[in-house]
Amino acid sequence: AQSVAQPEDQVNVAEGNPLTVKCTYSVSGNPYLFWYVQYPNRGLQFLLKYITGDNLVKGSYGFEAEFNKSQTSFHLKKPSALVSDSALYFCAVRDMVPGSSNTGKLIFGQGTTLQVKP
Amino acid sequence: GAVVSQHPSRVICKSGTSVKIECRSLDFQATTMFWYRQFPKQSLMLMATSNEGSKATYEQGVEKDKFLINHASLTLSTLTVTSAHPEDSSFYICSARPTGLRAGELFFGEGSRLTVL
Repeated sequence: AQSVAQPEDQVNVAEGNPLTVKCTYSVSGNPYLFWYVQYPNRGLQFLLKYITGDNLVKGSYGFEAEFNKSQTSFHLKKPSALVSDSALYFCAVRDMVPGSSNTGKLIFGQGTTLQVKP
Repeated sequence: GAVVSQHPSRVICKSGTSVKIECRSLDFQATTMFWYRQFPKQSLMLMATSNEGSKATYEQGVEKDKFLINHASLTLSTLTVTSAHPEDSSFYICSARPTGLRAGELFFGEGSRLTVL
């Protein structure tokens, strides 16, 4: 069964420093991977996705993520963190097994709280 | 970008009453919508997949008679929490998958916080 793991409950970083939020996945077919951000009492906002192609994916608000097939990882990164980046981040996977029914269901990781301090 | 509207954003109700939450795709059609439940500081738990014109598919452990889902049009899905109890208090989030787009990108509503007294 497909699954996503975010090993860190919380990541703390100083403003201006680079940040990394970790995600590993397990799927039976080719992975479609996503990152979403959630601010308090709000829905999820799409940051970026990996479908195919370049392993380094660039997304919204200066975020990027690197797909690593050998390590089954899709870590979210940003070169210089902002205080406004403080939020809850979710990694998600959609298993795209050829021939299977494809409803677009996403499986989410448990979330990582990012705290960026001034 | 695609917009998904959820209403109401907050609702407080008495135990035993029913509450309906609407999820609308404002500028696209969605044959499939998803309903998630989120407890404080936890991940999203998929409750059910709502398919336009057919019955919803519920995840294991989710009571379909408790959480009624109707997807009557390509832009509207509703979740009705029947005979609500305090343990149903939660943050409910819907998402919609546009028709015709590749890769299954989902667009999420802003969520509805239900408090059952």
